[in-house]
Amino acid sequence: KNQVEQSPQSLIILEGKNCTLQCNYTVSPFSNLRWYKQDTGRGPVSLTIMTFSENTKSNGRYTATLDADTKQSSLHITASQLSDSASYICVVSRASGGSYIPTFGRGTSLIVHP
Amino acid sequence: DAGITQSPRHKVTETGTPVTLRCHQTENHRYMYWYRQDPGHGLRLIHYSYGVKDTDKGEVSDGYSVSRSKTEDFLLTLESATSSQTSVYFCAVKQGLNQPQHFGDGTRLSIL
Repeated sequence: KNQVEQSPQSLIILEGKNCTLQCNYTVSPFSNLRWYKQDTGRGPVSLTIMTFSENTKSNGRYTATLDADTKQSSLHITASQLSDSASYICVVSRASGGSYIPTFGRGTSLIVHP
Repeated sequence: DAGITQSPRHKVTETGTPVTLRCHQTENHRYMYWYRQDPGHGLRLIHYSYGVKDTDKGEVSDGYSVSRSKTEDFLLTLESATSSQTSVYFCAVKQGLNQPQHFGDGTRLSIL
């Protein structure tokens, strides 16, 4: 079964601290992995995309890693800001019939306190 | 901003009534998607479209139908709404297979 598991479910950190979110998946055949940020009351917004051959991708203070052998990814947030408070969703897509079918994780809820 | 508008943004209706949600895009994206988001679940794909009049089912399509008669509009219909369809519905679009999906801000639907 194609699944995406994220941990922790929720996380509270102080402003300025770093944190790392985890994503494990069983989706097959693997096509790509994306991390999205979803602010409360808004739709998700893409942060990074990684394909099979990539193991690190950065977008400002966000750095995603991918280990395709162990089927794990992480999202590291450096020097957190209050605006980082959001849900972070890992999405793994598989190729199917000429299209890419995404499977979404449940998300990690991050709260950054001043 | 991918020019996505979902309407209505909020709706309350009664069990058994028909409901249609609209997703409108202004940037000529080829692919369009409807998802639902519920507590304890990730976003789940209901239906998607890969062109005008070309649609396919997602993992939770039962009780839903879609139509895409124009590139810019993708309609989601609940023929006879049930309380289990109370959810937040998101539309997403993308231009090509390897492009990211761009999401609307959702429609909060409550079925009493």
